[in-house]
Amino acid sequence: SYELTQPPSVSVSPGQTASITCSGDKLGEKYVCWYQQKPGQTPVVVIYQDTKRPSGIPERFSGSNSGNTATLTVSGTQAMDEADYYCQAWDSSIVFGGGTRLTVL
Amino acid sequence: QVQLQESGPGLVKSSQTLSLTCSVSGGSISSNDYHWNWVRQPPGKGLEWIGYINYSGSTYFNPSLKSRVSISTDTSKNQFSLKLTSVTAADTAVYYCARGQPDRGLGSWGQGTLVTVSS
Repeated sequence: SYELTQPPSVSVSPGQTASITCSGDKLGEKYVCWYQQKPGQTPVVVIYQDTKRPSGIPERFSGSNSGNTATLTVSGTQAMDEADYYCQAWDSSIVFGGGTRLTVL
Repeated sequence: QVQLQESGPGLVKSSQTLSLTCSVSGGSISSNDYHWNWVRQPPGKGLEWIGYINYSGSTYFNPSLKSRVSISTDTSKNQFSLKLTSVTAADTAVYYCARGQPDRGLGSWGQGTLVTVSS
């Protein structure tokens, strides 16, 4: 079955840029979504179709996807961005990555 | 704005069947624009997709759970349901229902319901 691999944790200083990767075989040939989940809350889509932001998602969230790696970038990271982030793709079924905890130090 | 709400027992005995229902308001589960998903999250762990059903009644499941899972709809009540058989402690999780669109992700989620499997 298809697998997506994320780093367990990423740390960033406030105002700096955080990059969270998601790796999978030929992932660039699939659409990727990214979800943000804060403690006690439900997941929220922050990026869909690799690069698109739903309405209401700040411009500091951006995405890319090429080769075997998709990347979620948070520019000018704020304390409120501290959360778990999950990538998700379709490969005859829906697959989630294991999640990355973003810590804003 | 669509709203989803899970309901069902919070405690299930090992080897029995877990049954949950998702009630949908503000949108029809018969819409061909969406698919209707179940996702779970064990305490302190990541998200695991269970499966979905679309407007035509076609179902798709996580290969690791396929032999134990079924999803159905009740269009008269605008609900869809999950059944997971032969549960074990490993099935203890918060279970979410969610509405998705192809290639656009799962954009609307229920609040989730914790199901504990006891021995």
